[in-house]
Amino acid sequence: NAGVTQTPKFQVLKTGQSMTLQCAQDMNHEYMSWYRQDPGMGLRLIHYSVGAGITDQGEVPNGYNVSRSTTEDFPLRLLSAAPSQTSVYFCASSYFGGRRGPGGGELFFGEGSRLTVL
Amino acid sequence: GENVEQHPSTLSVQEGDSAVIKCTYSDSASNYFPWYKQELGKRPQLIIDIRSNVGEKKDQRIAVTLNKTAKHFSLHITETQPEDSAVYFCAASASNSGYALNFGKGTSLLVTP
Repeated sequence: NAGVTQTPKFQVLKTGQSMTLQCAQDMNHEYMSWYRQDPGMGLRLIHYSVGAGITDQGEVPNGYNVSRSTTEDFPLRLLSAAPSQTSVYFCASSYFGGRRGPGGGELFFGEGSRLTVL
Repeated sequence: GENVEQHPSTLSVQEGDSAVIKCTYSDSASNYFPWYKQELGKRPQLIIDIRSNVGEKKDQRIAVTLNKTAKHFSLHITETQPEDSAVYFCAASASNSGYALNFGKGTSLLVTP
């Protein structure tokens, strides 16, 4: 049971390049999300998904796209990278449903992906 | 959307003292309030959570209190140890999505021997 796996762990991009951060979980979690972490800014929600085929925007969605074709995978795409997207990105998943009760449950985070845009 | 304010941003205590971190939230419909600990270079991990139908929850040296009327909740760590040094984040569920979490900006706790 690997939990939440993110790749790559480190990436350097030039302005305007595109890339995809991969996220996979093997816990059969319905809920998956992407956060970015910047110094002094905490964790800010980019996009999230409550199940395959369903995605929604978080607090800072601009410049990022997501899709959820399977329960396991939730990739984050940067179509045209900008220096402002330099950050550490975390993918996180959660089980929700009757067992966890209302309002969500524990988020399991990946190890993070450090992205630098020059 | 939900706005979560966290204070203080940094906190330094001596080993054995207590530490208190406070958060306020804006959405009165929020019903889930977890706390995460992030050690340097590591991923955030859940340490304790509380739901809106409970006023207090304890787990050994860690406790969380919730005041729904005032819309604030607090993390209390007693008998602090150097290994408690980390960044702590509070979060609140966003009522419009049901399960998305909005985080505070974090508190960097330093416990000195």
